[in-house]
Amino acid sequence: EPEVTQTPSHQVTQMGQEVILRCVPISNHLYFYWYRQILGQKVEFLVSFYNNEISEKSEIFDDQFSVERPDGSNFTLKIRSTKLEDSAMYFCASSDPDEQYFGPGTRLTVT
Amino acid sequence: QKEVEQDPGPLSVPEGAIVSLNCTYSNSAFQYFMWYRQYSRKGPELLMYTYSSGNKEDGRFTAQVDKSSKYISLFIRDSQPSDSATYLCAMSKTQGGSEKLVFGKGTKLTVNP
Repeated sequence: EPEVTQTPSHQVTQMGQEVILRCVPISNHLYFYWYRQILGQKVEFLVSFYNNEISEKSEIFDDQFSVERPDGSNFTLKIRSTKLEDSAMYFCASSDPDEQYFGPGTRLTVT
Repeated sequence: QKEVEQDPGPLSVPEGAIVSLNCTYSNSAFQYFMWYRQYSRKGPELLMYTYSSGNKEDGRFTAQVDKSSKYISLFIRDSQPSDSATYLCAMSKTQGGSEKLVFGKGTKLTVNP
């Protein structure tokens, strides 16, 4: 069964560093998303992406964040100059276009 | 008032019990409703996707939507220890196509053998 994959599963970084979280969406899906979940909190929408451009972004998704589809299979989330409050699980999702399927997540720890 | 409210539990039931999980929402623009299951430190797994008011059944799972009351439910029949997880409700205003999901906080369920 096709699934969304994400790497790395856990990333530890120092405050101020840049990180890139990687996702491989389900191959025939055209809509891509990033969500995050701070420990004990709700899953929150960050950004949606279609046809090589951002469709919608939340207020969380400020200039610190960017997304890219560098090739036909990968979808990345870059966080520039990480802050302590960026520590969270980051989930990638893709849809067909209705049902969103989530990856296993990348746990980002900013120290 | 929060957009989506969900009792976080925890909820503990014996094996074989019928489980009822619920969410309320305040925004009548929500039209599409989903239930996800999330095991500890894993990604949400889609269980049910519904649109209209009424019931939708899939095996031991039944999703119920009451748009007039802004209330959705997930029923699990003959619950199993493997059903132990956090259940998240999610909803959106339109169908698919880059539409963001708004999640409840999740209800943690434990099914005891």
